[in-house]
Amino acid sequence: AQKITQTQPGMFVQEKEAVTLDCTYDTSDQSYGLFWYKQPSSGEMIFLIYQGSYDEQNATEGRYSLNFQKARKSANLVISASQLGDSAMYFCAMRPHGSSNTGKLIFGQGTTLQVKP
Amino acid sequence: DGGITQSPKYLFRKEGQNVTLSCEQNLNHDAMYWYRQDPGQGLRLIYYSQIVNDFQKGDIAEGYSVSREKKESFPLTVTSAQKNPTAFYLCASSNTGTTNQPQHFGDGTRLSIL
Repeated sequence: AQKITQTQPGMFVQEKEAVTLDCTYDTSDQSYGLFWYKQPSSGEMIFLIYQGSYDEQNATEGRYSLNFQKARKSANLVISASQLGDSAMYFCAMRPHGSSNTGKLIFGQGTTLQVKP
Repeated sequence: DGGITQSPKYLFRKEGQNVTLSCEQNLNHDAMYWYRQDPGQGLRLIYYSQIVNDFQKGDIAEGYSVSREKKESFPLTVTSAQKNPTAFYLCASSNTGTTNQPQHFGDGTRLSIL
């Protein structure tokens, strides 16, 4: 079965510190894409970062980086230098190759991050 | 600016009433999706469409209906058969064909029962 697991329902981090949000996935496909989204309290879903299964380097986008460990099937999001505006819910998602024609994503249950001043 | 527009932002439904949520995109994406989100929960797929005049049920399609008469538009109707419609509804779109295309989301519609 294809599945995304986020085991941390809630996390706290001190402002200016780094935080890692965990994501593990399960798929038998060799080709797949992994995505992270941020959902602030206002509700919109903001795309943060993408990692392809064949990418040799970990993806980075500004303060966001993805710690991709293919053998462990994990794709953890690292946020460096946390800011108060990072307080939100974060979702990990996967698009297996078999879903490339439909574009369907498989979402995890999310992790709520609170940044403390 | 290209994007996805959902309207209305807030919607109230009376018992026995059907209501329609609008979703329009100008990103020229082939595929569109509707999700339901309950408080503190993840996203559940209601319906999706890869091409005009075609759509498929997602995981929780019962009590909902959709149409895709134009590439840009994918309205969702919450019918009276949906007994617990109070939720946050998100529309998304994406290109297809490769694994690296993210879904782009609208700002959502909050539906409540009167």
